[in-house]
This record gives sequence, C-alpha cells and structure tokens, in this order.
Amino acid sequence: ETGVTQSPTHLIKTRGQQVTLRCSSQSGHNTVSWYQQALGQGPQFIFQYYREEENGRGNFPPRFSGLQFPNYSSELNVNALELDDSALYLCASSLAGGLIYEQYFGPGTRLTVT
Amino acid sequence: QKEVEQNSGPLSVPEGAIASLNCTYSDRVSQSFFWYRQYSGKSPELIMSIYSNGDKEDGRFTAQLNKASQYVSLLIRDSQPSDSATYLCAVNAGNMLTFGGGTRLMVKP
Repeated sequence: ETGVTQSPTHLIKTRGQQVTLRCSSQSGHNTVSWYQQALGQGPQFIFQYYREEENGRGNFPPRFSGLQFPNYSSELNVNALELDDSALYLCASSLAGGLIYEQYFGPGTRLTVT
Repeated sequence: QKEVEQNSGPLSVPEGAIASLNCTYSDRVSQSFFWYRQYSGKSPELIMSIYSNGDKEDGRFTAQLNKASQYVSLLIRDSQPSDSATYLCAVNAGNMLTFGGGTRLMVKP
C-alpha cells in the first residue's frame, strides 16, 4: 500500500510570489484535504477535493485554490504570498463514505515566505 | 464557531505510568473523533478513531468518548519515552477535521 506523498519538502518564496504544492493520495483513496499548520498550532482546514471538485472550504481567502486530477492527486496553489502564509502545509487522503472517515496525512511541505 | 479545546501542557509522566489526555468540543453534530500523534518536525499520524460512546482499546491506547459531555480522552498505558510527542484531538462533522491545539506529552525515563 502506497502512503500519501507530498512535494516539495521545503520551499522558500518571496512575498507576492505564487506557489504550487503537490500531493499524491494513498492508494485506494479518492478524497484529498489540505490543511495549514502554523508553528505551535493544530492544523486548519483549507479545502477538500472529491471527484475533481471542491467539496468544502475553510476560512481561507480565494488566493488559496486547488485542483484534483483523475488519478486523485491534488495541487494547492497560493497566489500573492504573504508572510503569514509561512507554515507546514499538509495533505490528507481518505475514502469518501463510511462513518469513521479517517484521514491520513502526508509528510507535509514546509513553506517559508520572506 | 466550532471549537476543539486541549490543554497545551506539557504533561509530564514517568516511564511506565498512564498518560491521560483530554479534549472537549463544542459542535454537538460531530460524528467521529480522532487522536493524532505528531513528533516535532513531522506530520500528524493517526493513532485512534472513535465514534460510539464508551471505550475503544488498541494496544496500549484507549480512547474514551462521552457525547453527552462533549468530551473525548486518550489513555496511554505503560508510557514510553518514545511516546513523547504532541497529541492532537480532531473532530469530524461532515468532510472536514477540526483540530485542537494539541497537548505536549513528555515521558521521562
């Protein structure tokens, strides 16, 4: 069984730039959720993708956008980067349906905005 | 606003003791509940899930859920230094997880 993978591992960007982060879901999973984790805090839900469409969104501005591809992999795009966007970005995959709805995280992408 | 509250700690226990981690949540429609372990610099790892009132045991871990009191806990028996990490409580209502801020656990040899 292949786990969740993310790329790149680390990234340094300048304020105002744009960034794309990538995620491959665990085999057998069809849903991808993205979370932002600031230092010392719990992850915060950005959005979820299911069947290539956004399936729920947290309290994040439109400059955070995403895609899901037919193979269930996903991208998170952030435009006009701000210093506060510096965080660990986590992708979690899951299988839609069922009561428990467990989500499994990838290793994350550490984004630093200077 | 839906909230999940945890004591940030650190919670310090001696090796071999029982560590008790607690979490309260505000959204009564929450359906399932999760405990994740996060080592410093790493991503969260799912260790327990529970959706029915009562206890669920898995090895040294026991999750306890009381929906009437909106309370979920995690017990770690025979705590080991390798259990030292931040434990995140997460609550699922719909398709998103809402996380608490985490409790830092320190197990001292």
